[in-house]
Amino acid sequence: KNEVEQSPQNLTAQEGEFITINCSYSVGISALHWLQQHPGGGIVSLFMLSSGKKKHGRLIATINIQEKHSSLHITASHPRDSAVYICAAGEGGATNKLIFGTGTLLAVQP
Amino acid sequence: NAGVTQTPKFRVLKTGQSMTLLCAQDMNHEYMYWYRQDPGMGLRLIHYSVGEGTTAKGEVPDGYNVSRLKKQNFLLGLESAAPSQTSVYFCASSYPIDRGWQETQYFGPGTRLLVL
Repeated sequence: KNEVEQSPQNLTAQEGEFITINCSYSVGISALHWLQQHPGGGIVSLFMLSSGKKKHGRLIATINIQEKHSSLHITASHPRDSAVYICAAGEGGATNKLIFGTGTLLAVQP
Repeated sequence: NAGVTQTPKFRVLKTGQSMTLLCAQDMNHEYMYWYRQDPGMGLRLIHYSVGEGTTAKGEVPDGYNVSRLKKQNFLLGLESAAPSQTSVYFCASSYPIDRGWQETQYFGPGTRLLVL
C-alpha cells in the first residue's frame, strides 16, 4: 500500500464544473503539499498546509489531520486547469523530504 | 531570478555511457533534491543534499551518484547508463526557515533521458 494515495487517477470534467481530488496518507506529516504539472511542463507548488483550509483564486485545499485526508477543489473549472495534480506528504524534520502520490490527470473540456 | 534550472533538457544515451545532469538554483536554498518521474508512479527521490558538501541517499539511489561542491549546484551522475534509467529527472530546492517546518520545494523544468 502506497503511503500517499490519490483518487481519482483520471478525471474528465466539463467547463464550469466543481472538481474534487482526494488524497489520503498513512505517514506522519509536517505539512501536506499540492502541486500542479501541465503536460510536458514543470512542477509548481499550489498549496502547503498543515491544518484547516487555504484558498487561491478558484482553488481550495483542505486537510483533516485526524483522518489523514486532504482534498483539492477547483471551482468553476476551465480548460486551462487541465493538468496533473499531485499530492505530497511532507515528512518535516531536518530533510524536508516529500512522499508523492501518483497524481490525478484532470481534463476539462470546453 | 532564474529559479531552478536544469541542463540538459533532453539527452539520448547508449547503454553503458555516462553523463552528468546539472541543477542550479539562484535562491540561496540550502536543500536540494533529485527525483525521477516514471509513468504510473509518483516522483521518487534519488539523492538529496541538506547543504554544501553534504549528500544523502533517497528512495532509489542505485546507479546514480551526486555531488554538491557549491551551494547553488547539485550534480547527478550516471556512471554506466541502463535502459531502466530512462525517465524524466527533476531537481528541486528548498530553504527551511526552521528545521521543524516544512518548506515549499521549487522544481526545475526537468530533463528527459532516453537510454537505448
